[in-house]
Amino acid sequence: KQEVTQIPAALSVPEGENLVLNCSFTDSAIYNLQWFRQDPGKGLTSLLLIQSSQREQTSGRLNASLDKSSGRSTLYIAASQPGDSATYLCAGNAGGTSYGKLTFGQGTILTVHP
Amino acid sequence: GAGVSQSPRYKVAKRGQDVALRCDPISGHVSLFWYQQALGQGPEFLTYFQNEAQLDKSGLPSDRFFAERPEGSVSTLKIQRTQQEDSAVYLCASRGLSYEQYFGPGTRLTVT
Repeated sequence: KQEVTQIPAALSVPEGENLVLNCSFTDSAIYNLQWFRQDPGKGLTSLLLIQSSQREQTSGRLNASLDKSSGRSTLYIAASQPGDSATYLCAGNAGGTSYGKLTFGQGTILTVHP
Repeated sequence: GAGVSQSPRYKVAKRGQDVALRCDPISGHVSLFWYQQALGQGPEFLTYFQNEAQLDKSGLPSDRFFAERPEGSVSTLKIQRTQQEDSAVYLCASRGLSYEQYFGPGTRLTVT
C-alpha cells in the first residue's frame, strides 16, 4: 500500500527566500506524482504533474523533481512571496488497475511573511 | 463548464440525517473521483467512476456511503444516517485524457 509523507509539516519563511518542500513515497512503482496547492477553505489547485519517465517539471517560480529510486519528490519555490502562503500537498498515482486514484501526503503549511 | 463545481458548499446535518452531495465535473471528462479530507489531513480516496460505471469503491468507509453517476456526468455522494465522524470536506475531482486531476471547491459537512 502506497504511503506518502511530507516534511516539514509547517514552514515559515521571510519573503524572497528560496525554499524546498519534501515528499517521500513507499512504493517506487509510481506512475506519476502531482503537486497541489490548497488555500484555506478552498479546493485543490494543481501545480505540477511529473510523469514517472520524467525527472522534473517547471512552471514559473516552481520546479518539481521526482526520483523514483529513492522514493522522493521535491517542490522548489524560488523567490517566495506572501501570496505563496498555502498548504502544499503531494500525491502519488500508482496508475494501472488503481485507475489513477491519488494517495496524498498530509501537506506542508507554508507561511511567507513580508 | 470552466471547472469542477460542487454543491452545497457547506452542509450542517444532525446526527442520523441523510445528506446528498453533488458534483458537476468538467464537461467531457470521463473519470470522476470522490475524496474525503479530515481537518489537517490530506484527502483520502473514496470512489471512482468511469462514465457511469463505478469501478472502484474500496475507499468508502461504510455501507452508509453510496455514490452514483447515472448518466456519466453529474455525480452524487449520499451518506445515510450521518455520524459525527463523517464530518469532513468532501472533494470531487475529474480527469480527462491525461492523468491530471482537477478538483472542485469541496463540500464541508458538519454533523452535530
